[in-house]
Parts: sequence; structure tokens; C-alpha cells
Amino acid sequence: QKEVEQNSGPLSVPEGAIASLNCTYSDRVSQSFFWYRQYSGKSPELIMSIYSNGDKEDGRFTAQLNKASQYVSLLIRDSQPSDSATYLCAVKKQTGANNLFFGTGTRLTVIP
Amino acid sequence: SQTIHQWPATLVQPVGSPLSLECTVEGTSNPNLYWYRQAAGRGLQLLFYSVGIGQISSEVPQNLSASRPQDRQFILSSKKLLLSDSGFYLCASDRAYNSPLHFGNGTRLTVT
Repeated sequence: QKEVEQNSGPLSVPEGAIASLNCTYSDRVSQSFFWYRQYSGKSPELIMSIYSNGDKEDGRFTAQLNKASQYVSLLIRDSQPSDSATYLCAVKKQTGANNLFFGTGTRLTVIP
Repeated sequence: SQTIHQWPATLVQPVGSPLSLECTVEGTSNPNLYWYRQAAGRGLQLLFYSVGIGQISSEVPQNLSASRPQDRQFILSSKKLLLSDSGFYLCASDRAYNSPLHFGNGTRLTVT
């Protein structure tokens, strides 16, 4: 079983719609959760961090965490063509180095 | 906030040639440092990580090596490149428990 699983997509949404990206993780002791955006040919860029159950909003982005279900999601409201990218979910377990696990990413395309 | 410098941005090397990629971090002290590789269209593969000067852990046995001669300097090397070493190499850093990972801009290596 993979540590972090994401639907690889591709996910296509029309401009202005809500894009919903999902991620599940296997280890219940996971502490920290991150979403990265990676444009083609570029390095991953951190867009959201979430540490406790519930929702966290930042502009058009909302991260949702449900530790009981071991599920984290990212909602992008009013999707724009510039949101077209691969979104990586990352989960950090307990403490120390080398405790961060990435999903394989979901490719999102926003259609104008 | 921390800044990660990587160079060069692109590199084309023949099979059998040596490799040296350098990464330096600004804005933090005693960071954890990582080298990742991303093959075209694939996920992130952790190659090496370091929690301090001279301390290197290898995640994948291969013809690559890493060194950390200074607190904020991380070097990826190879004595003889293989075709399979082609990819996008990313240096990353995090600082403390629960802190997110930050990436440099990456080096795209093509071995011909």
C-alpha cells in the first residue's frame, strides 16, 4: 500500500468551475499535510499547508483535512487556465528528516 | 524565508562523463537537505537526504553520491553518468518538525 495516493487524472474542468483534488494516506500518525503545484518543466511550489481537521482557506484555495478518514483534499474555486498544472499531495509523519511522502500527483486542466 | 539556489538550470552530458550539481540554501541554518529526481511524466524520487554536515543517507542505490561540505551546501555527484540518469534534479530543504519542504528551481539533466 502506498503511503499517499492520488488520482492521477487528468482532471478537466471549465474555467470558473470548482476543481476538487483528493488524496488519501495510509499512516494514521501523519501530522502535517501539504499541497504543491507543479507547472510543466518547473519545480513544485507549496500552495497550502494544513495541520488540523477541518478547512483552511487561502484565496481561491481551500484545503480540507479529515484525519479519521485519512483524507485530504484541495478545492480550487473559480478555476483559471493558469491553474492548469500537476498538484502534488504530501504527508509528513511524526518528526525528523525523511518523513515526507508525496503522491504521484493529479494533472489538472482548466478549459477556457 | 529560505531561498534555495541550484545550478546549472540545464545540462547536457555524454554517457560516462562526471557530474556535479550544487545547491545552496539561504535564510535558514541547520536545514535538512534533500536531492530528488523526477523522470519525465513521473513522480518525485528521493535520492539522498542530510540532517547535518557530513551526514548523508541514501535512499536508492545507484551510481550517484551526495556530499554536504557546509551547513547550507549540498552537492550531487557521479563519476560516470548513465543514460538512465537523465531527469529533473531538485534540491529541497526543510527546517523543523511540521515545516513544509521547499524546492529549488531544479536542474534538467540530459545524458546523451
